[in-house]
Amino acid sequence: QVQLVQSGAEVKKPGASVKVSCKASGYTFTSYDINWVRQATGQGLEWMGWMNPNSGNTGYAQKFQGRVTMTRNTSISTAYMELSSLRSEDTAVYYCARGSALWGQGTLVTVSS
Amino acid sequence: DIVMTQTPLSSPVTLGQPASISCRSSQSLVHSDGNTYLSWLQQRPGQPPRLLIYKISNRFSGVPDRFSGSGAGTDFTLKISRVEAEDVGVYYCMQATQFPKTFGQGTKVEIK
Repeated sequence: QVQLVQSGAEVKKPGASVKVSCKASGYTFTSYDINWVRQATGQGLEWMGWMNPNSGNTGYAQKFQGRVTMTRNTSISTAYMELSSLRSEDTAVYYCARGSALWGQGTLVTVSS
Repeated sequence: DIVMTQTPLSSPVTLGQPASISCRSSQSLVHSDGNTYLSWLQQRPGQPPRLLIYKISNRFSGVPDRFSGSGAGTDFTLKISRVEAEDVGVYYCMQATQFPKTFGQGTKVEIK
């Protein structure tokens, strides 16, 4: 079954970092870009960046430059998104997506003191 | 960044009646390769987004044919020919022609 399965919900304090994983199955992981998109509660979709799992090349939205790092482990077909220096405004559901056709279930990240 | 503007932001529709959502981009979405990377996504309550339409008018696998997309350049439209109860949700247009990818604000489709 072709799917992306993300790691579970996280609660972090302001200033901390969070690393969300996205495990691919049912297809060749290195053949498709992975995008990361977030959605604050009741708000719209916000694209954060992309990664080519084959080369490891990445591209980040300017808003997140310097705070986000997208990596992968091809041996376990898993992509990662790490966001640092968390603030309350980073509280959101974070999605990984293969292109825009296949989405993970989302990971809720709550930033609260 | 390319700004995507959707109208309306809310669309109450009677079951069985059509619905239409407009999406306008601040710049042409025609890529240098000749394609126009404009997609439509549906997000049902509590679920991740789902791809409906890609490259303006191509229905994704498994998407009912009551959904159709049209447009060119900077103006695009998603139409639902006869709204069903399962179509309730928020619809987003998204451009992938230029980095960074950007989304419209979303249009909420609800049943009257």
